[in-house]
Amino acid sequence: GAVVSQHPSRVICKSGTSVKIECRSLDFQATTMFWYRQFPKQSLMLMATSNEGSKATYEQGVEKDKFLINHASLTLSTLTVTSAHPEDSSFYICSARDSGAGGRSDTQYFGPGTRLTVL
Amino acid sequence: AQSVTQPDIHITVSEGASLELRCNYSYGATPYLFWYVQSPGQGLQLLLKYFSGDTLVQGIKGFEAEFKRSQSSFNLRKPSVHWSDAAEYFCAVGNNAGKSTFGDGTTLTVKP
Repeated sequence: GAVVSQHPSRVICKSGTSVKIECRSLDFQATTMFWYRQFPKQSLMLMATSNEGSKATYEQGVEKDKFLINHASLTLSTLTVTSAHPEDSSFYICSARDSGAGGRSDTQYFGPGTRLTVL
Repeated sequence: AQSVTQPDIHITVSEGASLELRCNYSYGATPYLFWYVQSPGQGLQLLLKYFSGDTLVQGIKGFEAEFKRSQSSFNLRKPSVHWSDAAEYFCAVGNNAGKSTFGDGTTLTVKP
């Protein structure tokens, strides 16, 4: 089956620093990837839609200058949390749509998530 | 706008008992519906999905779900629960752009 990886799985950083999270589709091409955040005991909230070769589309209330998204290739999207603060601590999950001929574009494959802790 | 309601925040069942997790959705057209399972600190695993066709959908790990358009529901069922099924379950509705909206989740506890 389709596999999506995220790196790192856990990161701890100091307040004010920037953190980059990578999302890779390992065995398929993904023109579209999604970034979610999840607070403890809560559901996934869509932050933005990442499109290969173009600007990301952000959901209402998500600061695009704080959460920088780059989708430079068909298998990689990155989320950079800039000037991180403790309230940015969360579980960040990406997903990818299989845009290949053999895939169902309406199915998302999820990464294992990245736990960000900002001290 | 699409939305999902999972009325049960927490459900406890005995091992070997049957399970039903409820999901109601709101969507303007024919929805794409999904059930995912999440273990603590992990990502989401797709259990099953409905796009069209047969309204009773079979998934992995012995789960099934039934799409009922008249009730706007997509309830998840399993005839006999195993201790390893304890986890968080999310119902989601998606559109043809791949954008999904998730319910708040139901925590399943399995008693020995």
